[in-house]
Amino acid sequence: EDQVTQSPEALRLQEGESSSLNCSYTVSGLRGLFWYRQDPGKGPEFLFTLYSAGEEKEKERLKATLTKKESFLHITAPKPEDSATYLCAVANFGNEKLTFGTGTRLTIIP
Amino acid sequence: NAGVTQTPKFQVLKTGQSMTLQCAQDMNHEYMSWYRQDPGMGLRLIHYSVGAGITDQGEVPNGYNVSRSTTEDFPLRLLSAAPSQTSVYFCASREGEDEKLFFGSGTQLSVL
Repeated sequence: EDQVTQSPEALRLQEGESSSLNCSYTVSGLRGLFWYRQDPGKGPEFLFTLYSAGEEKEKERLKATLTKKESFLHITAPKPEDSATYLCAVANFGNEKLTFGTGTRLTIIP
Repeated sequence: NAGVTQTPKFQVLKTGQSMTLQCAQDMNHEYMSWYRQDPGMGLRLIHYSVGAGITDQGEVPNGYNVSRSTTEDFPLRLLSAAPSQTSVYFCASREGEDEKLFFGSGTQLSVL
């Protein structure tokens, strides 16, 4: 069974304080690993898809990286508007469902 | 750009009542799906559809029915609501083989 574990559950940072969120996964055949951002009361919003170990993608202050066992979402010099819950998910070649982690709730303090 | 629209936003039901959660998308996406989100658990797939007339079960389908008569709409039916179905429900769609999912804003359902 596919599994996704995200850590930490919650993270509070000062504005400008860089850090990383972790997503550890086990999957029999990785079709893709996804990062989403979710604001309170809203649906998840797509950020990145990573397909193979060594791949990296960037968007503004965010950079996602992938190894064979985990993915990191690096946040550089975050701003208060980066506060959200960040979700990681994996897709398996064998089925249609995405397996989601429980998320990391990120708070950036001005 | 409406994207994925879900109605209602909030709903309270009594045990045993039935209702339909509505989902519509205006992006001409073939793939549509329903997820539920519960505290301390990741989003879980309930049902999905790869095109009009085609539906299939996801991870947690019991107690829910779906149909897909048009490309745009994918309603989720609760035939006899149970307290265990208290959750936030999200509809999502994607285009073809692109894995990027577009989510609606969710329906918060409470079953008393």
